[in-house]
Amino acid sequence: TQLLEQSPQFLSIQEGENLTVYCNSSSVFSSLQWYRQEPGEGPVLLVTVVTGGEVKKLKRLTFQFGDARKDSSLHITAAQPGDTGLYLCAGENAGGTSYGKLTFGQGTILTVHP
Amino acid sequence: SQTIHQWPATLVQPVGSPLSLECTVEGTSNPNLYWYRQAAGRGLQLLFYSVGIGQISSEVPQNLSASRPQDRQFILSSKKLLLSDSGFYLCAWIRVPFGTEAFFGQGTRLTVV
Repeated sequence: TQLLEQSPQFLSIQEGENLTVYCNSSSVFSSLQWYRQEPGEGPVLLVTVVTGGEVKKLKRLTFQFGDARKDSSLHITAAQPGDTGLYLCAGENAGGTSYGKLTFGQGTILTVHP
Repeated sequence: SQTIHQWPATLVQPVGSPLSLECTVEGTSNPNLYWYRQAAGRGLQLLFYSVGIGQISSEVPQNLSASRPQDRQFILSSKKLLLSDSGFYLCAWIRVPFGTEAFFGQGTRLTVV
């Protein structure tokens, strides 16, 4: 069973600060995705990274996939209250017939205070 | 465009009562469909997935079952609910093999009392 360890579990910061969320595994993933979820709603996809070492930017969010495709990070610059939510990483199992199954991390609850 | 519908949004059921949650997808065909459970706003646990009509795979032993009577319909059921079945249930679809991004429904908050 492939596991994704996400850290930190909780993050409470002031508006304008920077932060980084980490997603680590001992397993290799074909791709890794980041989702954001608001209370009472389903997760919404932010980005997918596929290539080892890949970096993607989405406005103030920067996503990186590790060279060995075992880990990823999400960095937010100048956080805003609107960034508050649950951030989830999810990996697509590498090799074999996975039927598109994703392994999810436990999530990071981010709270940005005005 | 593709959309996914899940209902009801909230449900309060007594212990021992049956359960039926429905999920339908529009705008796509042959989707892979998934039921996840999420406890207290944390990570998602995969319960069932289906790659086609009548094809169900269970990921964890539990008090729940799933069925796929039509290509774009996925149902989560239970004959007798337990207190431990409470949680936030999410339906998702993935358009394999064109990608692995998951698109989620709005979720159902189930409280068993």
